[in-house]
Amino acid sequence: GENVEQHPSTLSVQEGDSAVIKCTYSDSASNYFPWYKQELGKRPQLIIDIRSNVGEKKDQRIAVTLNKTAKHFSLHITETQPEDSAVYFCAAPSNIQGAQKLVFGQGTRLTINP
Amino acid sequence: SQTIHQWPATLVQPVGSPLSLECTVEGTSNPNLYWYRQAAGRGLQLLFYSVGIGQISSEVPQNLSASRPQDRQFILSSKKLLLSDSGFYLCAWSVQGWRNQPQHFGDGTRLSIL
Repeated sequence: GENVEQHPSTLSVQEGDSAVIKCTYSDSASNYFPWYKQELGKRPQLIIDIRSNVGEKKDQRIAVTLNKTAKHFSLHITETQPEDSAVYFCAAPSNIQGAQKLVFGQGTRLTINP
Repeated sequence: SQTIHQWPATLVQPVGSPLSLECTVEGTSNPNLYWYRQAAGRGLQLLFYSVGIGQISSEVPQNLSASRPQDRQFILSSKKLLLSDSGFYLCAWSVQGWRNQPQHFGDGTRLSIL
């Protein structure tokens, strides 16, 4: 089955700087990679996703890059703001019996310092 | 648009008591449904998933069970709670029959066992 590793587990950056979180996956057949943001005490919310037919996707200050050869994908947040502080989870699919499971990374706690 | 409801939002239960958490989805038919548990400061552990009424798959052996009595209703139960059942329980749904689709989470139930 799929295995997802996420690094770093914690990340602290100055407001206005960029933050990068990286995930590696094991199943070369995986072709969909979502990123979730979870604020303290709240539900995980999808912030961006990428499918394997593209190498990069951007949405304002957030971008995701995918390297299928190396089997890794990364979340990039530019011009960080205090409201970006949260735990971020990456995921990759594991398809079984008609249901698509998502295998999640361990999470990265991002802290934006004012 | 689709919405997912979970209740209750918080629950405090004594050890050995029963449990019933409910999740319903609106605005879609025949969704895939999922139950996750999240320990404090930890990642997302998939407990159960369902591709249809009465069809439940368990991911890990545990003190919990799940049922899907109606198409858009997913229930998490226990006959006797353990201290280790404490955590943040999240229900999620995804589109049935389509690959590479995100999961959408409910607001969760925070369960404390005394």
